[in-house]
Amino acid sequence: ILNVEQSPQSLHVQEGDSTNFTCSFPSSNFYALHWYRWETAKSPEALFVMTLNGDEKKKGRISATLNTKEGYSYLYIKGSQPEDSATYLCAANSNSGYALNFGKGTSLLVTP
Amino acid sequence: DAGVIQSPRHEVTEMGQEVTLRCKPISGHDYLFWYRQTMMRGLELLIYFNNNVPIDDSGMPEDRFSAKMPNASFSTLKIQPSEPRDSAVYFCASSFRGKDYEQYFGPGTRLTVT
Repeated sequence: ILNVEQSPQSLHVQEGDSTNFTCSFPSSNFYALHWYRWETAKSPEALFVMTLNGDEKKKGRISATLNTKEGYSYLYIKGSQPEDSATYLCAANSNSGYALNFGKGTSLLVTP
Repeated sequence: DAGVIQSPRHEVTEMGQEVTLRCKPISGHDYLFWYRQTMMRGLELLIYFNNNVPIDDSGMPEDRFSAKMPNASFSTLKIQPSEPRDSAVYFCASSFRGKDYEQYFGPGTRLTVT
């Protein structure tokens, strides 16, 4: 089991602000890091899967980076919009299996 | 594709009753996962299957929980007997190995045991 931690637990920003949150995980036996977006009353939706140190991925205004040596990933949202309000989950799996170990998530609220 | 399908979406039952949750994965996916979401513990993996075979059931809380995957398009999670502490949202997810382990989640089943 990989212990995945996310910070902050919650975040409240104004529309147009850029923001970022952190996911940390043990760097030993690491295989892949996943980011999911989870809106209330819906199911988690995959944003990114990253495996290589230095990986950067982007989808519209959202991007993510990965540092496997120090065991962290950042998720960035540029110019936040109210529709970005959701819980952002980070999960990691190890070399030894497909099981995803999820963090508790960062709850983002973007107000107009 | 219709995505991962779960039924029922909501289930309310009395303590001691048997509960069966159902999942249909995305066609062609060879991995199926059952998760439970609670406020206290977040999203935790219960069990996962590869090609219909259970691979890791270390997350199954106790013997009251069992899961089966009789074929590639259907899986069940059964709780017998149910207890109030089993109340949670249960998610099923599936993935295809070639997708770098990206998992696709179903809408979840909200279980309430009174």
